[in-house]
Amino acid sequence: IAGITQAPTSQILAAGRRMTLRCTQDMRHNAMYWYRQDLGLGLRLIHYSNTAGTTGKGEVPDGYSVSRANTDDFPLTLASAVPSQTSVYFCASSPDESSYNEQFFGPGTRLTVL
Amino acid sequence: GQNIDQPTEMTATEGAIVQINCTYQTSGFNGLFWYQQHAGEAPTFLSYNVLDGLEEKGRFSSFLSRSKGYSYLLLKELQMKDSASYLCAVMDSNYQLIWGAGTKLIIKP
Repeated sequence: IAGITQAPTSQILAAGRRMTLRCTQDMRHNAMYWYRQDLGLGLRLIHYSNTAGTTGKGEVPDGYSVSRANTDDFPLTLASAVPSQTSVYFCASSPDESSYNEQFFGPGTRLTVL
Repeated sequence: GQNIDQPTEMTATEGAIVQINCTYQTSGFNGLFWYQQHAGEAPTFLSYNVLDGLEEKGRFSSFLSRSKGYSYLLLKELQMKDSASYLCAVMDSNYQLIWGAGTKLIIKP
């Protein structure tokens, strides 16, 4: 693995189903983030983690949960998917949450909820 | 509320210069970032400004005025591969990035 990976690449999901989006990085970054990107809107932060074992809520956390059991993995779970969660989801990481650190993005997961 | 404004779309000619503006109103300021995003791909980092002034990096330059809540990204010697969306983002007092909706730049031959 080089950098940050996400799985699946795309998914079509029935409303009400549970879904976990996977994110793994091999850069030993402390901070990780989940964003959603919708047409005409900026990236919006869903949840973040500044270090393994801690998580925090972003701008749009409702309907989503995360865990950070170790440094490398940061899965995002939709407990019961709804059509408004149709979006492109990006996972990102940075060395830490300091202001000068750029965030590195995974390739994204395109999710459609029907 | 927090707000980042940038034009939705701009068109420029190959070989020319284009300036993409970004204005912001955020709770606190810990730096401004510019990212490039090609269609269907992930954003990639271009520049970071935390002090007023111009930062130059090859064909790309970024300017910041904190007192005016204003930044611009300047792209010189435009190439077709520069066709992409350019995202402005401000790190607020909670060290979270607030993102603009992006400016889609179309380059014509």
